[in-house]
Amino acid sequence: DTGVSQDPRHKITKRGQNVTFRCDPISEHNRLYWYRQTLGQGPEFLTYFQNEAQLEKSRLLSDRFSAERPKGSFSTLEIQRTEQGDSAMYLCASSLGRGRGAFFGQGTRLTVV
Amino acid sequence: AQSVAQPEDQVNVAEGNPLTVKCTYSVSGNPYLFWYVQYPNRGLQFLLKYITGDNLVKGSYGFEAEFNKSQTSFHLKKPSALVSDSALYFCAVRDGSGGYNKLIFGAGTRLAVHP
Repeated sequence: DTGVSQDPRHKITKRGQNVTFRCDPISEHNRLYWYRQTLGQGPEFLTYFQNEAQLEKSRLLSDRFSAERPKGSFSTLEIQRTEQGDSAMYLCASSLGRGRGAFFGQGTRLTVV
Repeated sequence: AQSVAQPEDQVNVAEGNPLTVKCTYSVSGNPYLFWYVQYPNRGLQFLLKYITGDNLVKGSYGFEAEFNKSQTSFHLKKPSALVSDSALYFCAVRDGSGGYNKLIFGAGTRLAVHP
C-alpha cells in the first residue's frame, strides 16, 4: 500500500495520560498535515510541515500538543495530559507540491475516558 | 476569512438518478476548491479540485463539479448515482496564500443512494 499510513487506528486512554500517534506519508511527498475531526464536523487544520520544518500551527494546537517530523519523513503527534475534549479522529495528510491535492490517511480515533 | 458552506446535512437520491451535493464558498482572491469523500472507517479520499480553467471539473468515480463564480458555488454532481456512492462528502477551500493544502472544510453532506 503506497498511501498515507497512520498508527494506531484506534486508541483508548484514560484522562491525564499521554498519547502519541504516528503518520507515514506517501514517500515522495514533502508536505505533511495534521487535522482533527470531531463527530458531525469536517476536519480542522492543526499543523503543517514542509520537509522537517513545522511552518504553521493552528490555535487549536494547545501547549499540550506537539508534532514533529524528524528528517522530513514520518511524523508524530503527541498529546500530553489528555482531556475528554481531545476525543476525536486525528487525520494525517500529505501532498507533493503547489496545487496538488492532499491525500489523507485513515486516521487515528482517540477516545479519552 | 475563507469558508465553505454545505447547506444540506443529507441528500437522498434513487439509484440511477442524477445527484447534486451543494457547496458555496467565501474567499478573498481566487478560490482553490476541493471535494473529498469519506466512507465509514476510512480516511478522506480526494475526488477533484478546481484551481483555474474550465468551470466543469471532472474527477474520480464519475463525479464532476461545476464552479460558478457569480453564485460562489462549487456543486458536486454525478449523472447516475450508485448505491456505493453512499458516503459523507466534504467540500473544502484552501486557506491562505502559502501555496500549501491548509484546507477549510465544510461540515459535510451525507449522501444516501437508495436501490
